[in-house]
Amino acid sequence: AQTVTQSQPEMSVQEAETVTLSCTYDTSESDYYLFWYKQPPSRQMILVIRQEAYKQQNATENRFSVNFQKAAKSFSLKISDSQLGDAAMYFCAYRSETGNQFYFGTGTSLTVIP
Amino acid sequence: DAGITQSPRHKVTETGTPVTLRCHQTENHRYMYWYRQDPGHGLRLIHYSYGVKDTDKGEVSDGYSVSRSKTEDFLLTLESATSSQTSVYFCAISESPLTNNEQFFGPGTRLTVL
Repeated sequence: AQTVTQSQPEMSVQEAETVTLSCTYDTSESDYYLFWYKQPPSRQMILVIRQEAYKQQNATENRFSVNFQKAAKSFSLKISDSQLGDAAMYFCAYRSETGNQFYFGTGTSLTVIP
Repeated sequence: DAGITQSPRHKVTETGTPVTLRCHQTENHRYMYWYRQDPGHGLRLIHYSYGVKDTDKGEVSDGYSVSRSKTEDFLLTLESATSSQTSVYFCAISESPLTNNEQFFGPGTRLTVL
């Protein structure tokens, strides 16, 4: 089974600053999908951004962008101009192109300091 | 938002009693999943389904069973609940990764086993 590692259990950032959350994964496959999910205190899981492995260009969604390094099997999330509403648990996830299962990291709890 | 509901949303039960959690979707997605979320472990897959009456085990399936008699419903049963099964349970749905690779989540069920 694939493994997804988030080595930062907790992170903090000043409001309006930039923060990067790290994620690494282990796979022998060449085609797959990567995701960042946000879980605010409401517990609802929300998709933040996704990356297809066959795309070399890093995905961006407004203030959220990723640094996808396929050879290094690294998929970090950068949050720019951090806002109080960004405070949440963030999960990195992996899905193979043909697979039924998703594999999740253990999460990073992000605190935004006013 | 994807149409996924879970019932009940909260439940307190006693050790040794059977418990059934229900997940209902209105999206006609093929795949359905049950996860449990515990601090320090992220989301761990219990069971998943890839069609009516087609299910498979996940990483932490011991003590749990599932059934899917209709496309829209996926039931998770704890035959004899134990305190170690106290957790937050999430249902999720997805399509084939070649159609839509995203996974959508329900609101979660908080289960406490005394």
